[in-house]
Amino acid sequence: QKEVEQDPGPLSVPEGAIVSLNCTYSNSAFQYFMWYRQYSRKGPELLMYTYSSGNKEDGRFTAQVDKSSKYISLFIRDSQPSDSATYLCAMRDSSASKIIFGSGTRLSIRP
Amino acid sequence: KAGVTQTPRYLIKTRGQQVTLSCSPISGHRSVSWYQQTPGQGLQFLFEYFSETQRNKGNFPGRFSGRQFSNSRSEMNVSTLELGDSALYLCASSLSPGQETQYFGPGTRLLVL
Repeated sequence: QKEVEQDPGPLSVPEGAIVSLNCTYSNSAFQYFMWYRQYSRKGPELLMYTYSSGNKEDGRFTAQVDKSSKYISLFIRDSQPSDSATYLCAMRDSSASKIIFGSGTRLSIRP
Repeated sequence: KAGVTQTPRYLIKTRGQQVTLSCSPISGHRSVSWYQQTPGQGLQFLFEYFSETQRNKGNFPGRFSGRQFSNSRSEMNVSTLELGDSALYLCASSLSPGQETQYFGPGTRLLVL
C-alpha cells in the first residue's frame, strides 16, 4: 500500500463548477500537507500548504486537512479552463525533509 | 529573480550508457532535491543536498548518485542506464531543508532506448 493515495482521474468538469480533489494517507506522523499544480511539460508549482488539521483559503482555492480521517482535500471554486492541469498532493512529517507525493489527478475544465 | 534551471531539457541515451543532469537553484537557495517522475510511479524522491552534503536519500539503486557544489548547483548521475530509467527528472530548490515552499525546475526528460 502506498503511503499517499490519490485518484489519477482524469476528471472533467464544466467551467464554473466546484472541483474537489482528494488524497488519503496512512502515516499518522504527517504534519505538513501541500498541493502542487503541474501543467503539461512544466515542473510542479506549489499552490497551498497547511500545517496539521484545518482549512486554508487562498482566492478560489481552499485546502482542508482532516487528520483524524487521514484525508486531505483541495477545492477549486469557479473553475476556469486555465485550471486544467495535474494536481499533486504532498506531505511530510515534522522530522523528515523528504516529501511524499500522491500520483496526481489530471483535471480538465471544459469551456 | 530567475527560477530553477535544469539542463539539458531533453536527452536520449541507450542502455548501458551513463548520464549527468544539472540543476541551478534559485539564487540564495541552498537546498536542492531531486525527483523522478514517471506515469506509473508518479513523483518519487531521489535525494536532497544541503551545504554540499546529502541529507536524505530515497529508495533508488546505487546507480543513481548526486552531488552539490559550493555555489549550491547540483548534478545527478545515472550509470548503466536501463529502459526503466526513462522519466522526467525534476530538481527543486528551497532556502533550507524541509521547507514546504520548494520551487521546481522544468525538468529533464530522459529517454533510454
